[in-house]
Amino acid sequence: QAQLEQSGPEVKKAGASVRVSCKASGYTFPRSSLSWLRQAPGQGLEWVGWISAVSGIAHYGQKFLGRVTMTTDIPTNTAFMELRSLKPDDTAVYYCAREVDKDYDVWGQGTLVTVHS
Amino acid sequence: QAVLTQPSSLSASPGTSASLTCTLRSDIDVGSYKIYWFQQKPGSPPQFLLSYRSDSDKGQGSGVPSRFSGSKDVSANAGLLLISGIHAEDEADYYCMIWHNSVSTVFGGGTKLTVL
Repeated sequence: QAQLEQSGPEVKKAGASVRVSCKASGYTFPRSSLSWLRQAPGQGLEWVGWISAVSGIAHYGQKFLGRVTMTTDIPTNTAFMELRSLKPDDTAVYYCAREVDKDYDVWGQGTLVTVHS
Repeated sequence: QAVLTQPSSLSASPGTSASLTCTLRSDIDVGSYKIYWFQQKPGSPPQFLLSYRSDSDKGQGSGVPSRFSGSKDVSANAGLLLISGIHAEDEADYYCMIWHNSVSTVFGGGTKLTVL
């Protein structure tokens, strides 16, 4: 059974960076792509970016360009998202989601990132 | 104008049917897109329900009951999520999504379905 396990909650000060991990199991990690999405408290879903697990090619949302880097580590079946220059309105639950044929069919449990000023 | 617009709330009684709409911005033709639908309950990640482009190009999430189905209202430039025989456990937030280009996705603001 395919699963994505994310790292624990983070509390950061404005201006700092955060790195969230997403460990895959139960499927062939290199054959998939992953998207990262976020959800601010009480708000809807926002796409942050996408990465191909095997090639490491990533595409980022316009508003995150220059602040986000997504990577994968094939030996450990883990994807990472680093967000820099954090602002209070980056406070959100960050999700990784497996993308297969454009379907987000498996989601991580989410990682709450709290940014205080 | 938002790319995808959803009504913020909808109420329905158990056993009845509901139609959740996802209206595309006027310059985006619903006929060209596959619409994806997700269900999210409090404290949980979204769950993929289904995708719908046409009756010949659609998909159902693993374990998702057939009473959840997709459709389109071309005249309204909207995607539809149809829920028949509503159960109390269908109370949740529902989000629509499209792949706006080949590598980025856009979500609607979500509809909160209340089962009375």
